[in-house]
Amino acid sequence: GQQLNQSPQSMFIQEGEDVSMNCTSSSIFNTWLWYKQDPGEGPVLLIALYKAGELTSNGRLTAQFGITRKDSFLNISASIPSDVGIYFCAGLNSGTYKYIFGTGTRLKVLA
Amino acid sequence: DGGITQSPKYLFRKEGQNVTLSCEQNLNHDAMYWYRQDPGQGLRLIYYSQIVNDFQKGDIAEGYSVSREKKESFPLTVTSAQKNPTAFYLCASSMLSLASYNEQFFGPGTRLTVL
Repeated sequence: GQQLNQSPQSMFIQEGEDVSMNCTSSSIFNTWLWYKQDPGEGPVLLIALYKAGELTSNGRLTAQFGITRKDSFLNISASIPSDVGIYFCAGLNSGTYKYIFGTGTRLKVLA
Repeated sequence: DGGITQSPKYLFRKEGQNVTLSCEQNLNHDAMYWYRQDPGQGLRLIYYSQIVNDFQKGDIAEGYSVSREKKESFPLTVTSAQKNPTAFYLCASSMLSLASYNEQFFGPGTRLTVL
């Protein structure tokens, strides 16, 4: 099945640093979602985006819906140890009702 | 509390046995989904259902079966035909509005180990 290209695959950062990750697709989406998954748990929805160019924040997290509708970005500011986990993007074309997921970015924060 | 429940959290079965994983949601969502996740990997779609009594195969449906007799319930059966059933199984649901609110929410997952 189709998967979105998500980068970086993994990253180690120092506590307090900002983090950026992105997701690209060959298809146009009209919804972008960002999730965080802790080990052994289900993914938790962080941010939902619905309009091209939209910029949405949730605390230290900011995500953007790309103008081309084929990409999205997630930024985490001033990272803390509990930001550790796997971050997934997902896109939806409502005509299909199938969400397409990215390959995940594994984030490790060094205290 | 509104949400998605999956039970049990951990499940052990002997090889060759069928096993059914439970998924219930009280969010009044129309669509429900089953995903499989292998260690260090992303999510792969097994089956999804947009409406009661209807469901579609996802990318890896072979060896699995589902039913959708009630809006709030979408059980997944892992059959003996599934070659490598040990995995983490995630159930999800979404409203699927034409206009907006297409968030998809996940349950806590069931880790199935086949011995």
